[in-house]
Amino acid sequence: RKEVEQDPGPFNVPEGATVAFNCTYSNSASQSFFWYRQDCRKEPKLLMSVYSSGNEDGRFTAQLNRASQYISLLIRDSKLSDSATYLCVVNMSPGGGADGLTFGKGTHLIIQP
Amino acid sequence: NAGVTQTPKFRVLKTGQSMTLLCAQDMNHEYMYWYRQDPGMGLRLIHYSVGEGTTAKGEVPDGYNVSRLKKQNFLLGLESAAPSQTSVYFCASSPSTSVIRYEQYFGPGTRLTVT
Repeated sequence: RKEVEQDPGPFNVPEGATVAFNCTYSNSASQSFFWYRQDCRKEPKLLMSVYSSGNEDGRFTAQLNRASQYISLLIRDSKLSDSATYLCVVNMSPGGGADGLTFGKGTHLIIQP
Repeated sequence: NAGVTQTPKFRVLKTGQSMTLLCAQDMNHEYMYWYRQDPGMGLRLIHYSVGEGTTAKGEVPDGYNVSRLKKQNFLLGLESAAPSQTSVYFCASSPSTSVIRYEQYFGPGTRLTVT
């Protein structure tokens, strides 16, 4: 069974702090990895793709650990506007097909003033 | 550039009624998807399409049908609605380039309640 697991939280973090959360996936042949952000009662929006070498976009850093089958998201200098649910998405189709995207249930982050 | 749009935004159906949800995208994307999102669950793929005139089943296709007669539109049909189909439905699209990446763009969702 294909699975993507996330700690649902909530993570309550003071403004300005650094927060990190992980996501584990079950299929070692997974091809591509993403973090999406979803605000309450809104659609998911792509935050960043996760590359093998790791990648950074402003205050956000994503890492991939294939050996342990997890990806991580680090948010530095957190802002009130970072409060959202963060969805881990993994393409677990062997050929990377369009039906292979598997979504985690999300990690709920609350930034407190 | 509207991106991905969905109609209607909200709908209440009685058990046994039928309806069609419309998804439209103006980004010339090849791939389109229908998901449902339920409390405590991740998004689950209902059906998807890799091009005009093609459709395929996802993880939870039962009780739904789809059609992709035009590249920009993807329709989701419920022939006989059941309370278990109460959910938020999201449509998404993605370009066919960068094949392994499938960065998806989502519509705003349709909130469906079946009583």
